[in-house]
Amino acid sequence: NAGVTQTPKFQVLKTGQSMTLQCAQDMNHNSMYWYRQDPGMGLRLIYYSASEGTTDKGEVPNGYNVSRLNKREFSLRLESAAPSQTSVYFCASSPDGTVYNEQFFGPGTRLTVL
Amino acid sequence: AQKVTQAQTEISVVEKEDVTLDCVYETRDTTYYLFWYKQPPSGELVFLIRRNSFDEQNEISGRYSWNFQKSTSSFNFTITASQVVDSAVYFCAHKAGGSYIPTFGRGTSLIVHP
Repeated sequence: NAGVTQTPKFQVLKTGQSMTLQCAQDMNHNSMYWYRQDPGMGLRLIYYSASEGTTDKGEVPNGYNVSRLNKREFSLRLESAAPSQTSVYFCASSPDGTVYNEQFFGPGTRLTVL
Repeated sequence: AQKVTQAQTEISVVEKEDVTLDCVYETRDTTYYLFWYKQPPSGELVFLIRRNSFDEQNEISGRYSWNFQKSTSSFNFTITASQVVDSAVYFCAHKAGGSYIPTFGRGTSLIVHP
């Protein structure tokens, strides 16, 4: 099992460009999450998907959109990138987000917006 | 709203020292879950342990031990005889029962010098 995979690993964008971060899990998990990690700020939730077909906003959703393509895949889109979106992005999954389950994290995508 | 405080931003120790990472949480929930994750320099977050609010038993796993005390709303993590490989950022997290969204602390960076 690959667990949670993310592509790309690194990306540099110019302000105003768009891009999609891809995430896939092969553990048959129901819940998936997108976080951003900034120095000194810990992990902040951008969006999550409780189950296939649903998505909800987290703490910092502005400037992002998500798509739960199927049970395996959950993508994060930046429509018009801004320097404030320079961060490390982590995707995570959980068997069932409401119960006593830990999260499994991907390796992260390091995004720089110039 | 839940809150998780990891007051120690950075801890520096010499190998073989014992070190305790503090985690204090605020919650109004009767049922909740607590987690610790490790983020080594490679960047990927790894789950270490979970506890539910009805289980105050301390846990020991090799050199790692966890002390959960509801009376002080704390879930502290101790590494005995620290090693250089323990160098990482450690995150504590809280999740209310029935919620999909964990709240993470800002993390404690542990540096173990040889």
